[in-house]
Amino acid sequence: DAGVIQSPRHEVTEMGQEVTLRCKPISGHDYLFWYRQTMMRGLELLIYFNNNVPIDDSGMPEDRFSAKMPNASFSTLKIQPSEPRDSAVYFCASSFTSRHEQYFGPGTRLTVT
Amino acid sequence: GENVEQHPSTLSVQEGDSAVIKCTYSDSASNYFPWYKQELGKGPQLIIDIRSNVGEKKDQRIAVTLNKTAKHFSLHITETQPEDSAVYFCAAFTNAGKSTFGDGTTLTVKP
Repeated sequence: DAGVIQSPRHEVTEMGQEVTLRCKPISGHDYLFWYRQTMMRGLELLIYFNNNVPIDDSGMPEDRFSAKMPNASFSTLKIQPSEPRDSAVYFCASSFTSRHEQYFGPGTRLTVT
Repeated sequence: GENVEQHPSTLSVQEGDSAVIKCTYSDSASNYFPWYKQELGKGPQLIIDIRSNVGEKKDQRIAVTLNKTAKHFSLHITETQPEDSAVYFCAAFTNAGKSTFGDGTTLTVKP
């Protein structure tokens, strides 16, 4: 398996623009997680899905953030409108069950100017 | 909610020495404790994990200990090598899959 795939790897956008980050989990994994990593706040869990259903989105910072998982092999994290403070590395991870290890993707480095 | 504290934030050791990183957690519902290594420009990668029904686990030069009563767990790396230099994160997970990560420890192994 190719592992967790994220795209794009880098995104630079202007404040106010919509940003969509994409993730393809490892085939057969039922759990998908979105994280944000910054120097100030470390690694934060934003939202996670089980069998394509959002289980806990309490980490989503604001209504500007939304995440979807239309099928078992694809998820998106959308920020609309984006702000400079959204600049961070966004990781997607997947796991077989909630009690198995999470495999992280390479991350998307987002810069909002 | 869960709170995970990780110490130290930076650690510098000489090649061949041991390194110890400690974490404490607050939520007694947490029962899975992985340790991740993150190299520059990459995502975190699991190096070892422990579940709440086990007190210690070892994998070659890496070991993890868990004291569930005191709510703390530690990562031990023996015979450190320069390639061990990275940022290490501890985490605490509940059965439902909710995770809380520590703030990370930057380990530098000097040759």
